[in-house]
Amino acid sequence: AQKVTQAQTEISVVEKEDVTLDCVYETRDTTYYLFWYKQPPSGELVFLIRRNSFDEQNEISGRYSWNFQKSTSSFNFTITASQVVDSAVYFCALSELLIQGAQKLVFGQGTRLTINP
Amino acid sequence: KAGVTQTPRYLIKTRGQQVTLSCSPISGHRSVSWYQQTPGQGLQFLFEYFSETQRNKGNFPGRFSGRQFSNSRSEMNVSTLELGDSALYLCASTRAKNTEAFFGQGTRLTVV
Repeated sequence: AQKVTQAQTEISVVEKEDVTLDCVYETRDTTYYLFWYKQPPSGELVFLIRRNSFDEQNEISGRYSWNFQKSTSSFNFTITASQVVDSAVYFCALSELLIQGAQKLVFGQGTRLTINP
Repeated sequence: KAGVTQTPRYLIKTRGQQVTLSCSPISGHRSVSWYQQTPGQGLQFLFEYFSETQRNKGNFPGRFSGRQFSNSRSEMNVSTLELGDSALYLCASTRAKNTEAFFGQGTRLTVV
């Protein structure tokens, strides 16, 4: 069965520090997709990135970067020079493809990130 | 482009009652999924609809049901509410297979 583990339940850092959120996944599929979402207090899950299993290139988007390592089944997320607005709960998710093309996301338990001024 | 819209945002219901939640997906998105989020269980998949057909359902009792209309809008219904049904219910729409899901702000249901 698909599984996503985010071992860090809560992280608290001071503004401008770099912070890495860990994500480890389990799947038997050879083709799969990984995602990161951010959930601010408003509740909505905000999409951050999608990565397919064949693309192991790291990605950088502004202060955000992602490190995908298939060999260790990890998809870690780093925020550089963190800001108070980055405070949120972050979820890593694995896409499980079901019959008839249906798709469901298997989420980790989330990491609550607090950036202190 | 409007995002995923869920109504109502908040609901308080009594045990034994039933409730209907609504979700309007992003225009052009035909797949709608529902998730339940609780502090104890995290985010769990409820069901997914495409072209008015339920393609898959998560491990939830039959009290949880849903449907999708021809305009892709979706509703989910929970009958005979239990205290444990208190949760944030999130709806997501997807443009195509393997693409990212976009979520609404959710409906926070409290059962008393």
